[in-house]
Amino acid sequence: KNQVEQSPQSLIILEGKNCTLQCNYTVSPFSNLRWYKQDTGRGPVSLTIMTFSENTKSNGRYTATLDADTKQSSLHITASQLSDSASYICVVRTGTASKLTFGTGTRLQVTL
Amino acid sequence: ETGVTQTPRHLVMGMTNKKSLKCEQHLGHNAMYWYKQSAKKPLELMFVYSLEERVENNSVPSRFSPECPNSSHLFLHLHTLQPEDSALYLCASSQDGGYLTTEAFFGQGTRLTVV
Repeated sequence: KNQVEQSPQSLIILEGKNCTLQCNYTVSPFSNLRWYKQDTGRGPVSLTIMTFSENTKSNGRYTATLDADTKQSSLHITASQLSDSASYICVVRTGTASKLTFGTGTRLQVTL
Repeated sequence: ETGVTQTPRHLVMGMTNKKSLKCEQHLGHNAMYWYKQSAKKPLELMFVYSLEERVENNSVPSRFSPECPNSSHLFLHLHTLQPEDSALYLCASSQDGGYLTTEAFFGQGTRLTVV
């Protein structure tokens, strides 16, 4: 069964600090993995996409990593800002058709 | 603004009411999706339309009825819902071509409360 598990479930950090969110998946065959940011009450917005051959990709203060061997991905946020407070969802696409498997997300709260 | 617009943003309805959710995309995409997001649960795919034909129905109760009149519009008709149907309903679109599927762009969602 295709599954995507994220940890931690929730996280509170001080503004300016760094944090790392984890995503483990069992989706097969693997096509790509996206990290989405979802503000409360809004739709998810894509941050990065990782394909099988990519190990690291950055988008501003967001850096995603992918280890296809261990089927793990991480999202590292540097110098956090209050606006980073949101849910971060890991989504894995299978290599066939249009199957997406969503993780439950990590709820991040950045405080002063 | 992602190019996918959903209306209304919020909806409160009784269990005997009939209402419709609307989704519109101006991205030229050929596939549209309805997702349900309940608290503390992953996004659940409900329906997939590709080239205006329903290609996927993930065991959704018949009280949810989708309609895709053209490639830019998608509706979700609701009738005799239950309180457990209260959730955020998200619409998404993407450009699909065989096994190649681009990123799914999501609307802002409709927060539905069934009373």
